[in-house]
Amino acid sequence: GAVVSQHPSWVICKSGTSVKIECRSLDFQATTMFWYRQFPKQSLMLMATSNEGSKATYEQGVEKDKFLINHASLTLSTLTVTSAHPEDSSFYICSASRGTQYFGPGTRLLVL
Amino acid sequence: RKEVEQDPGPFNVPEGATVAFNCTYSNSASQSFFWYRQDCRKEPKLLMSVYSSGNEDGRFTAQLNRASQYISLLIRDSKLSDSATYLCVGLYGNNRLAFGKGNQVVVIP
Repeated sequence: GAVVSQHPSWVICKSGTSVKIECRSLDFQATTMFWYRQFPKQSLMLMATSNEGSKATYEQGVEKDKFLINHASLTLSTLTVTSAHPEDSSFYICSASRGTQYFGPGTRLLVL
Repeated sequence: RKEVEQDPGPFNVPEGATVAFNCTYSNSASQSFFWYRQDCRKEPKLLMSVYSSGNEDGRFTAQLNRASQYISLLIRDSKLSDSATYLCVGLYGNNRLAFGKGNQVVVIP
């Protein structure tokens, strides 16, 4: 049990476009999901905490208008990178909490 | 200063040898600590929790020293499949995880 999926697994887009990433808990309900970002050879950095039915809580330095989070149900949270730029290229990972955090497989974003 | 600090390495370890590494943490408010394993281009996966009394899981032993604010991981009889990055992670309020950069371990045949 405790499987978390992410879609897409990788995406390449042009600068200025928006990209939506989905995070789903497949076999449990998660009132809280987390979004992380990891640059090469760096640690995972928490971007925001996504709470079902309420607004996400963003970490300091993360622009909430650029990284839109929607947690519409107990099994789905989405992260939309709006007007993506090359510096947004990174590995985006979500996790869903059921006591322990279970991580999705991640989404590699490359913005050209 | 980052909440969790690790020496990224790499740690080149002959197959069958023992390797140990530490991480230090600056925020003593952490409720719990963990070691995660992350393979190249993959998500992190929980390896084990860390307790002050120490805990062992097969060839892996983890220890927490709250007085000195460090966590250790020891791997005995290293296997080629142990090659990965080992992330030291602290759990803070609101279920927030703080990750270190990771210790990269390369087991050499």
